[in-house]
Amino acid sequence: ETGVTQTPRHLVMGMTNKKSLKCEQHLGHNAMYWYKQSAKKPLELMFVYNFKEQTENNSVPSRFSPECPNSSHLFLHLHTLQPEDSALYLCASSPPEDSTDTQYFGPGTRLTVL
Amino acid sequence: GNSVTQMEGPVTLSEEAFLTINCTYTATGYPSLFWYVQYPGEGLQLLLKATKADDKGSNKGFEATYRKETTSFHLEKGSVQVSDSAVYFCALSGGSYIPTFGRGTSLIVHP
Repeated sequence: ETGVTQTPRHLVMGMTNKKSLKCEQHLGHNAMYWYKQSAKKPLELMFVYNFKEQTENNSVPSRFSPECPNSSHLFLHLHTLQPEDSALYLCASSPPEDSTDTQYFGPGTRLTVL
Repeated sequence: GNSVTQMEGPVTLSEEAFLTINCTYTATGYPSLFWYVQYPGEGLQLLLKATKADDKGSNKGFEATYRKETTSFHLEKGSVQVSDSAVYFCALSGGSYIPTFGRGTSLIVHP
């Protein structure tokens, strides 16, 4: 248990649906991250937020839209996804005093796009 | 760009066997190096880390030494247990380095 929670844990959606993933941490961390984990591929960093400001967008398609209203909450809004977007989506955070950016991961949301 | 390469799995061992999982990285300068572990149905969690050359990270019997000359950070454990069965990820991050992960190596330990 790392103190990072994600909801929902499982999500099945059609290609025309709109849904949102939520991540929450109350660890006092200032940086939050979204990753995509697909079978047989390296973990892909999608977005990075530092003190609510987006500092990294790793060439992610616009059908994925992140939102960070405060340092404790991070959302990933999903719109008109494709079947190849099915994956485990992991949220992580890291503390401000840690210059190594140690990642504290949530359990992930298993997304299936039909 | 930066990258992390780790050995393909799965690695299958008997209980009490010696474990080595190889990891090499490509980066300029001195990133921090990590091993994370992922158990079924869970997110990744930090196993150990090293922040500078020749540092040794250790935790739960696992060790890895930051080798700048060979750009490596191999994971070792002297005697594995069934409960060590998981997927292990080598990674780099810190400072100006965007967190970068290897593909993961699945470890299966049989009784």
